[in-house]
Amino acid sequence: ETGVTQTPRHLVMGMTNKKSLKCEQHLGHNAMYWYKQSAKKPLELMFVYSLEERVENNSVPSRFSPECPNSSHLFLHLHTLQPEDSALYLCASSQDTSSGGTQYFGPGTRLTVL
Amino acid sequence: RKEVEQDPGPFNVPEGATVAFNCTYSNSASQSFFWYRQDCRKEPKLLMSVYSSGNEDGRFTAQLNRASQYISLLIRDSKLSDSATYLCVVNLTDSSYKLIFGSGTRLLVRP
Repeated sequence: ETGVTQTPRHLVMGMTNKKSLKCEQHLGHNAMYWYKQSAKKPLELMFVYSLEERVENNSVPSRFSPECPNSSHLFLHLHTLQPEDSALYLCASSQDTSSGGTQYFGPGTRLTVL
Repeated sequence: RKEVEQDPGPFNVPEGATVAFNCTYSNSASQSFFWYRQDCRKEPKLLMSVYSSGNEDGRFTAQLNRASQYISLLIRDSKLSDSATYLCVVNLTDSSYKLIFGSGTRLLVRP
């Protein structure tokens, strides 16, 4: 039990749909992250939030829009995605952004874009 | 050149075998190093940090060679439950959140 939950676990959407991914952490952490994991590729950091403030946007296309309403919740809003956006989207948290290598991951949302 | 390179495998070994994975990193300024484990269709989980002097955690031994920019993970007495993908992770500092992940090495332990 990692203490980081994500919903939905699986999502299939068309290119014109709008959907949102949700992440919740129950660890009392101050930093939250979105990563993308494509097949046979390394994890790519997308966004970083520290105490609800975005501190990193790693050149992510605007069709991905993050939202962090409080330090326990993180959303990723999706619209007009492309088939190449199909991947596993992982949320993670850490005590803060200076915690180094210790990050706790959620189970991920497996996204398929048709 | 990839920032963190790993042999994708799979490494297919019998139970009880000893297996070693290697990882190389491109940035000589890297400061901290980790191995994460990712089971099939699950999330990555921190397995162990890698210290300059080498460190051991039960059946797992991690080593770092800064001169060659090389990290290794040795698993002794392999168990079926060790089957997973092992991710090599590098951090430019001891405290940055910017972890650089390798693509992973897949291990299959057979009965």
